[in-house]
Amino acid sequence: GAVVSQHPSWVICKSGTSVKIECRSLDFQATTMFWYRQFPKQSLMLMATSNEGSKATYEQGVEKDKFLINHASLTLSTLTVTSAHPEDSSFYICSARALRRLAAAPSSYNEQFFGPGTRLTVL
Amino acid sequence: GNSVTQMEGPVTLSEEAFLTINCTYTATGYPSLFWYVQYPGEGLQLLLKATKADDKGSNKGFEATYRKETTSFHLEKGSVQVSDSAVYFCALTRNSGNTPLVFGKGTRLSVIA
Repeated sequence: GAVVSQHPSWVICKSGTSVKIECRSLDFQATTMFWYRQFPKQSLMLMATSNEGSKATYEQGVEKDKFLINHASLTLSTLTVTSAHPEDSSFYICSARALRRLAAAPSSYNEQFFGPGTRLTVL
Repeated sequence: GNSVTQMEGPVTLSEEAFLTINCTYTATGYPSLFWYVQYPGEGLQLLLKATKADDKGSNKGFEATYRKETTSFHLEKGSVQVSDSAVYFCALTRNSGNTPLVFGKGTRLSVIA
């Protein structure tokens, strides 16, 4: 239990195009999903907090018009990188927090489950 | 604000050596503390966690004890293996609300045979 998937796992696109990344909680409902960005050999930087049915909360310095986040259901959040540029190339990771303590993972209180990440390369 | 400081790497050890990766934190209240591991090309996996003072998290031979008096959560393993080579992240989160994890910068561990 408590599996989070991301799609695609990697994507290469041309500069100026938009890319959508999906984050799904496969076997649990997530009230909140988080989007992180990780540069090579660096830590994860929180980009935004996404709550189902409401607008995402962006961290300071993150352009909300460039990184569009939609959390349409309790199992799906999407991040769209609009008009991508080479400097947007990075590893994007999502995580999901369970709506309630999971039967399959009794110690899951306050735990975030991470997706495997999406590597974006903008040419 | 909340922050996590962990020792800088890279750390290179021989197989079967003892491992310590230091982690200290600054937080209001009583956060939960975590260690995550990231293998090459993969996302993060929870390694262990502790939710209150004096708790010891353990998994796969790794241990860490929540020390409130020293605000520390050092990761230890008695005998590392080549397969432990990865980046290790210390993190914390508040125990209330939909608060995100705050990560340390990560420590790269390389274990050589």
